[in-house]
Amino acid sequence: AQSVTQLDSQVPVFEEAPVELRCNYSSSVSVYLFWYVQYPNQGLQLLLKYLSGSTLVKGINGFEAEFNKSQTSFHLRKPSVHISDTAEYFCAVSEGTSGSRLTFGEGTQLTVNP
Amino acid sequence: DVKVTQSSRYLVKRTGEKVFLECVQDMDHENMFWYRQDPGLGLRLIYFSYDVKMKEKGDIPEGYSVSREKKERFSLILESASTNQTSMYLCASLSGSLPDTQYFGPGTRLTVL
Repeated sequence: AQSVTQLDSQVPVFEEAPVELRCNYSSSVSVYLFWYVQYPNQGLQLLLKYLSGSTLVKGINGFEAEFNKSQTSFHLRKPSVHISDTAEYFCAVSEGTSGSRLTFGEGTQLTVNP
Repeated sequence: DVKVTQSSRYLVKRTGEKVFLECVQDMDHENMFWYRQDPGLGLRLIYFSYDVKMKEKGDIPEGYSVSREKKERFSLILESASTNQTSMYLCASLSGSLPDTQYFGPGTRLTVL
């Protein structure tokens, strides 16, 4: 069965600093990987996804992630964060054999301070 | 743009009440999902539906049921609400049968007293 671990529950950073949010998954088959963001009092929206092809994936708002199959990781990065990036971030995985259902990680609260 | 709407943003119910949460999507998506979101636990799948009148249990279906009589509407039912069902409930929809972007509604924060 697939599972997802987000290694940091809270990440505080200063504005314009780089950030990395870590995500590891466990699966024995091919996977599809997603990062979603949830701003306060809103639903989730897609940041980026890896379905196939290049392992470096670029998303909205300057975020990118790299799929590393050997380390079973899909870490999210941004070189310079803004106050408006303060939100909760969720990593999710879907196995090819389980159709379209997703398994989510516990979430990482990113707080950007001035 | 895909729009997923949920019937209420906030709901307060009493223990033992029957509760209906409604979700509507406007993009003719085949798949619809109900999740609950709790701090430190992320999102957990309750039920999903891949077609009208079709449903499958997710990871935490106990205490819940669902109904999908029309393609655009997916209802979550708490037959007898309990305090441990106090949570944020999120609905999502997806086109096609392969993993891809799920589109989420704004959520319903349910409090059971």
